[in-house]
Amino acid sequence: AQKITQTQPGMFVQEKEAVTLDCTYDTSDQSYGLFWYKQPSSGEMIFLIYQGSYDEQNATEGRYSLNFQKARKSANLVISASQLGDSAMYFCAMREGIFSGGYQKVTFGTGTKLQVIP
Amino acid sequence: DAMVIQNPRYQVTQFGKPVTLSCSQTLNHNVMYWYQQKSSQAPKLLFHYYDKDFNNEADTPDNFQSRRPNTSFCFLDIRSPGLGDAAMYLCATSIAVTGINIQYFGAGTRLSVL
Repeated sequence: AQKITQTQPGMFVQEKEAVTLDCTYDTSDQSYGLFWYKQPSSGEMIFLIYQGSYDEQNATEGRYSLNFQKARKSANLVISASQLGDSAMYFCAMREGIFSGGYQKVTFGTGTKLQVIP
Repeated sequence: DAMVIQNPRYQVTQFGKPVTLSCSQTLNHNVMYWYQQKSSQAPKLLFHYYDKDFNNEADTPDNFQSRRPNTSFCFLDIRSPGLGDAAMYLCATSIAVTGINIQYFGAGTRLSVL
């Protein structure tokens, strides 16, 4: 089974509109974390936002917010007031498992390509 | 600004000719990672270093090796590149503490194999 599922290969949004990128996850761990990264065409993976499994409030960072629904195992990214510079691939990722070797395994989804239309 | 720097941004090599990709960081993070990302796919972890301890993923081919001579630098060596190794290679770093484990990435090196 896929650990991280992003069902939208591509999305279009009008500039200044809000957009939601979907992410569902699968884990049996009680303690885990969810991330969203942005990857422009230049290639760099840019960290956007993080949500811990025990965090009761949805994470927000500027125009980004994470709609965390634990019972549904979903962690959707909401981008408000889209800008042309938001056009990029967006990856959802999850940290889970035993912390060992200075590391907890991070699994990435297959990404959603967002295009913002002027 | 503290950051993760990868050189070169683009690398062209010939089939079977060894190639080395480099990564440096000014974040003073003790964990460094190498990922392979093929077109339209998720990044795939190849290995990571926790300080000087090397941790290989089980499915990473022997063709891929890594060196970390000090905290700041990490190298990816591909001993005999094949056409299937053409990909974006991403270096990332993090602090080894329990909890968030945010990974910070470089801009990547795009490798072409002729």
